[in-house]
Amino acid sequence: KNQVEQSPQSLIILEGKNCTLQCNYTVSPFSNLRWYKQDTGRGPVSLTIMTFSENTKSNGRYTATLDADTKQSSLHITASQLSDSASYICVVSTGEGNYTGNQFYFGTGTSLTVIP
Amino acid sequence: NAGVTQTPKFQVLKTGQSMTLQCAQDMNHEYMSWYRQDPGMGLRLIHYSVGAGITDQGEVPNGYNVSRSTTEDFPLRLLSAAPSQTSVYFCASSDPEGDEQFFGPGTRLTVL
Repeated sequence: KNQVEQSPQSLIILEGKNCTLQCNYTVSPFSNLRWYKQDTGRGPVSLTIMTFSENTKSNGRYTATLDADTKQSSLHITASQLSDSASYICVVSTGEGNYTGNQFYFGTGTSLTVIP
Repeated sequence: NAGVTQTPKFQVLKTGQSMTLQCAQDMNHEYMSWYRQDPGMGLRLIHYSVGAGITDQGEVPNGYNVSRSTTEDFPLRLLSAAPSQTSVYFCASSDPEGDEQFFGPGTRLTVL
């Protein structure tokens, strides 16, 4: 069964600290993995995308890693800021060039709270 | 570009009422989808479209209808609202490769 599991479910950290969010998946076939940031009351926004051949991708203070062998990904946030408070969603796609709406598998998200 | 827009932002319905959630995108994307987001669950696909005139069902289509008469618009209709349809609804459009989804701001629906 295709599944995406994220941990922890929620996390509270002090401003300026680093944190790492985890994503494990059993989706097959694998096309790519995206991390989205969802601010409260808003729609998700893409942070990074990783394909099978990539194992690290950075976007500012966000660094995503992918281990396609163990089917695990992580999102590392460096020097956290109050604006990082949001839900972070891991999405795995089985798309192979032909779009089908059913190709995306969503994790339940990690709720991150950054406190002063 | 406005991206993906949704209206209304909030809506309260009584059981049995019908309504249409509007979604529009100005990126000329062929692919569009509707999701619902419930606490403790990942986004679940309701319906999707691969182009004007073409729609298909997702994971949780019961109680919802869609149509796609233009590339820009993809409305979602609730035929007879039920409390189980209380949720946050997101519309998304996908880039030509179908990989990255661009989400609207959501509609928070409460059915009493």
